[in-house]
Amino acid sequence: DIQMTQSPSTLSAYEGDRVTITCRASQNIDSWLAWYQQRPGKAPKLLIYKASSLESGVPSRFSGSGSGTEFTLTITSLQPDDYATYYCQQYNIYMWTFGQGTKVEIK
Amino acid sequence: EVQLVESGGGLVQPGGSLRLSCTASGLTVSSNYMSWVRQAPGKGLEWVSMIYSGGSTYHADSVKGRLTISRDNSKNTLYLQMSNLRAEDTAVYYCVSGYGNSLKWGQGTLVTVSS
Repeated sequence: DIQMTQSPSTLSAYEGDRVTITCRASQNIDSWLAWYQQRPGKAPKLLIYKASSLESGVPSRFSGSGSGTEFTLTITSLQPDDYATYYCQQYNIYMWTFGQGTKVEIK
Repeated sequence: EVQLVESGGGLVQPGGSLRLSCTASGLTVSSNYMSWVRQAPGKGLEWVSMIYSGGSTYHADSVKGRLTISRDNSKNTLYLQMSNLRAEDTAVYYCVSGYGNSLKWGQGTLVTVSS
C-alpha cells in the first residue's frame, strides 16, 4: 500500500494568513494527488486534482504543487470559510489512500 | 453537470446485509473507473472498492469477501452489496468516479450497524 503522511495534523492561523499543508507519499505517485476540504457533516469537496489543477469553482487562493512523493497545498490568504479539515489523496493506483487530515483552526 | 446520488443506507443488525446504489447523471458509469470510499464517525477517509471500465474489481482487505462492488450499465448505476456486516462497517459511504484527470463525489449515504 502507498502510505500518505500529511502534516501538520492541526494548524492554528489568523484570517489573512498564508497557510501550507504538506503531504508525502511512501512511493512515487507522479502527479496523481488530490486535495479536499471537508466541513463537519458534509462530503469532501475537491479543491485540487492532478497535484496542481484547480477544480472549477474553487477560489484561486487555493493552489497545489509537487510531484513524485512531495506535495503541498497552499492557501494564500485564509478566509473565514476556510476553517475546515483538509485531506490529501493519492489515486495513482486502485488502492487509493488518504492522508490523516489537517484541521485548520481559528487563532 | 455530473451528479452521483447514493441511496440504500440505513440501520442494520450485525451480520445483516444491505445494498447501496449510486445513480449517475452526466457521466457513463461503464466508461469510467468507479469507487466506494467510506468515513466512520469522527474518522478519516478509507477506500473500500473499485471497478474499472473493463470490469475488473478490487476491494480493501478489510472488506474482502463481505462487500462487493458491481454496476448495471443499463441503469447507469453502481452498487455495493454488503453482507455479514460488522459494527466497524458503520460509516458514511461515498460513491466516487474518475472524470478525466479529476474525481467526482456523491453526497454519501449513512450505514449504521448496530443491534
